[in-house]
This record gives sequence, C-alpha cells and structure tokens, in this order.
Amino acid sequence: AQTVTQSQPEMSVQEAETVTLSCTYDTSESDYYLFWYKQPPSRQMILVIRQEAYKQQNATENRFSVNFQKAAKSFSLKISDSQLGDAAMYFCAYRGSGGSNYKLTFGKGTLLTVNP
Amino acid sequence: KAGVTQTPRYLIKTRGQQVTLSCSPISGHRSVSWYQQTPGQGLQFLFEYFSETQRNKGNFPGRFSGRQFSNSRSEMNVSTLELGDSALYLCASSLQSGGYTFGSGTRLTVV
Repeated sequence: AQTVTQSQPEMSVQEAETVTLSCTYDTSESDYYLFWYKQPPSRQMILVIRQEAYKQQNATENRFSVNFQKAAKSFSLKISDSQLGDAAMYFCAYRGSGGSNYKLTFGKGTLLTVNP
Repeated sequence: KAGVTQTPRYLIKTRGQQVTLSCSPISGHRSVSWYQQTPGQGLQFLFEYFSETQRNKGNFPGRFSGRQFSNSRSEMNVSTLELGDSALYLCASSLQSGGYTFGSGTRLTVV
C-alpha cells in the first residue's frame, strides 16, 4: 500500500520569506500523481499544485513550486514571498494511475504559520 | 462554474441513528469520492463512484455506504452511528485524470 509521510507537523515563516514543506512517499508504481492541498480554517481543501510522475519538469504555480525527486520519492513544496493568507494546513497527497487507484492517500499534514 | 456542493454543512446526531450526506459535483465531473477527516486518523478514503458504479472502497465497516445517481450527485449513508463517527466528511469530484476539487465538507457530531 502506498504511504505518504510529512515529517514536519508544524512550520513557521516570516511574511515575504520562503519556506519549504517536506513530503516523502512510498510506492511500487512507476506512474502516479502527486498533489499539495491547502486547508485553511474554513476547512475547504484547495488544490495548490499537481505533478505527474512521468514529467521530469517540476510544477510551478505562481509563488508555489515543487522539487520532485522521483528516485528519492520526495515531493517538497516551496512557497516564495510568503503571505499571511498562506497560513493553513498543507497536505501532500498521492494517487496512482488507472486500475483501482482512484483515491488519494494523504499525509498527516503540516500546519504553516505566517508571522507578520 | 459552480464548485462542489455538500449539504448539510453541520449535523448533530444521536448515537444509534443514521445519517445521509449529499454531494453535488462540478458539472461534467463523473467521479465523486468521499473522505473522512478526524484529528486522530487524518484524512481517510471512504469510497469512490464513477458513472453510478463504486470503483474503490476504503477500509471502513459496512455501516458506511454510498451511491451515485445518474446526474453524478452522490450520497453517503452511515447507519447505527457511533461516537467515533464524529468527523468532517469531505466530498471531491474529478475528471478521469485531473486533480480533485473538494467541497467545504459536512461536520458530523455524534452525541
């Protein structure tokens, strides 16, 4: 079974600074999808960024980028120029491709605090 | 376009009762999946439906069931509620290979 590990239960960053959230996963599949979701106190899960395993290039969405290391099974999220609105719980998630893999496996989450 | 709509947002039930939660996916999304979120267990997959068929089921007891209608709307039902069923229940809809869009969830409290 696939597992996703987020080793940092909590992180803090100063406004305008850069922070990196870590995520590792375990899988025997070669093709899969990885996601970072943000869950603010409003509790709605918001997709931050998505990476297909077959793509070598790291995904980027504005201030958010990932460092995807397939061999190391690592998928970290970098938030640049942090803003107060980035404060939330961040979840790393894995989804296999095809077959019976139509589900997300989540890590335990990292609570990000942004200090003014 | 409208997002994923879950109703109700809050629910208080008594132990032993049953409950039905509803989820309306984004128009055109045929896959709907359900997750349970608790402080202790985190986010856990319940089940996933595509074109009215359950394709995948998580490791939950048979008290948890669901279904999907021809318009892709989905319901999940929990019978004989237990205190441990208190949780945030999240629904997500997706295209076949796309990312998942989540609703705001239903907060279920069992007393």
